[in-house]
Amino acid sequence: EDQVTQSPEALRLQEGESSSLNCSYTVSGLRGLFWYRQDPGKGPEFLFTLYSAGEEKEKERLKATLTKKESFLHITAPKPEDSATYLCAVRDNDYKLSFGAGTTVTVRA
Amino acid sequence: EPEVTQTPSHQVTQMGQEVILRCVPISNHLYFYWYRQILGQKVEFLVSFYNNEISEKSEIFDDQFSVERPDGSNFTLKIRSTKLEDSAMYFCASSVLANYEQYFGPGTRLTVT
Repeated sequence: EDQVTQSPEALRLQEGESSSLNCSYTVSGLRGLFWYRQDPGKGPEFLFTLYSAGEEKEKERLKATLTKKESFLHITAPKPEDSATYLCAVRDNDYKLSFGAGTTVTVRA
Repeated sequence: EPEVTQTPSHQVTQMGQEVILRCVPISNHLYFYWYRQILGQKVEFLVSFYNNEISEKSEIFDDQFSVERPDGSNFTLKIRSTKLEDSAMYFCASSVLANYEQYFGPGTRLTVT
């Protein structure tokens, strides 16, 4: 069974204070690692897909990286609007995503 | 920008009643999914659907659940006899192809009393 573990559970940052979120995974054959953002009471919003170790993707203040056992989501100089829960998910076949519990990021002005 | 839509946003029902949750996937997407998220817990996969057939389902998706694409735009999840433990946010998602990213709708909050 796929295992996805995210750390830390919660992260409180000052505006401008860069940090990283971790997603470690165990999957029989990785066919994609996905990062989503989820605001309270809303659906997950797609951010990135990573397929192979060494791959990196960037979007505004966010950068996702992938190794054979984990992925990192780096938040550079965060703003209050980056406050959300960030979800990591893996796929080992064509269909199902297996999600981690998420990291809740709070950015204070 | 195209998006997945879901109705209703909130459904309250009594235990034992049938509910139908509705979704309109993104128009050129071919794969459709339902997930649920119990308050404070992980997002959990329920079922995937392609070419009018279930392609994969989880252990949660038992005989009380069914999915249907009744026309060219809607995708529905039916729960035949709701239980208290069915209370959750239900998310519909779609992807253009199986190995592409899945786009999620805003969710339907189901409350079973």
